[in-house]
Amino acid sequence: NAGVTQTPKFQVLKTGQSMTLQCAQDMNHNSMYWYRQDPGMGLRLIYYSASEGTTDKGEVPNGYNVSRLNKREFSLRLESAAPSQTSVYFCASSESGGNTDTQYFGPGTRLTVL
Amino acid sequence: LAKTTQPISMDSYEGQEVNITCSHNNIATNDYITWYQQFPSQGPRFIIQGYKTKVTNEVASLFIPADRKSSTLSLPRVSLSDTAVYYCLVYGTGRRALTFGSGTRLQVQP
Repeated sequence: NAGVTQTPKFQVLKTGQSMTLQCAQDMNHNSMYWYRQDPGMGLRLIYYSASEGTTDKGEVPNGYNVSRLNKREFSLRLESAAPSQTSVYFCASSESGGNTDTQYFGPGTRLTVL
Repeated sequence: LAKTTQPISMDSYEGQEVNITCSHNNIATNDYITWYQQFPSQGPRFIIQGYKTKVTNEVASLFIPADRKSSTLSLPRVSLSDTAVYYCLVYGTGRRALTFGSGTRLQVQP
């Protein structure tokens, strides 16, 4: 069981470039999440997907798009990267998204935008 | 939206018990309280969850008073490996309410 995997681990982009962060989980979870964590700060929710085929905005969705490709995979796209998007991005999954859910996190993608 | 407040940082020594308190004054009836631990360069991981009174597992205890406006995570006999950031979450209605805040940075000294 790999749990939650993320690719790539590191990425450097120039301002205006685009890229897609990939996330996959093998726990048969219904809900998946994307967070960003800026240095010395807590995690902020970007987007989440309560179940396959649905996505919804979190606290900081501007500048991002997501795709819930299937039950396993949830990708995050930056269409035109900006230096303010330099951060560590974490993907997570949980069984149902309810109040007692436990979220399982991936190892993160460290993104630098120059 | 159930906002949480925690101390920014705490220091302790190996072998001591550490108590981290989280304030959540506007917690809703259906909300649960969940604590996560995060080591540097890793994603957070679940520690413990509770609704009221006391919950204990192999890692920690969680104390929640009757009014549920606060909760205390208790780590017995900490070791150097417990140095991490600890987050208190209160699950609100809908994912928009899911926020980790800044957490409490615990530093354990030898």
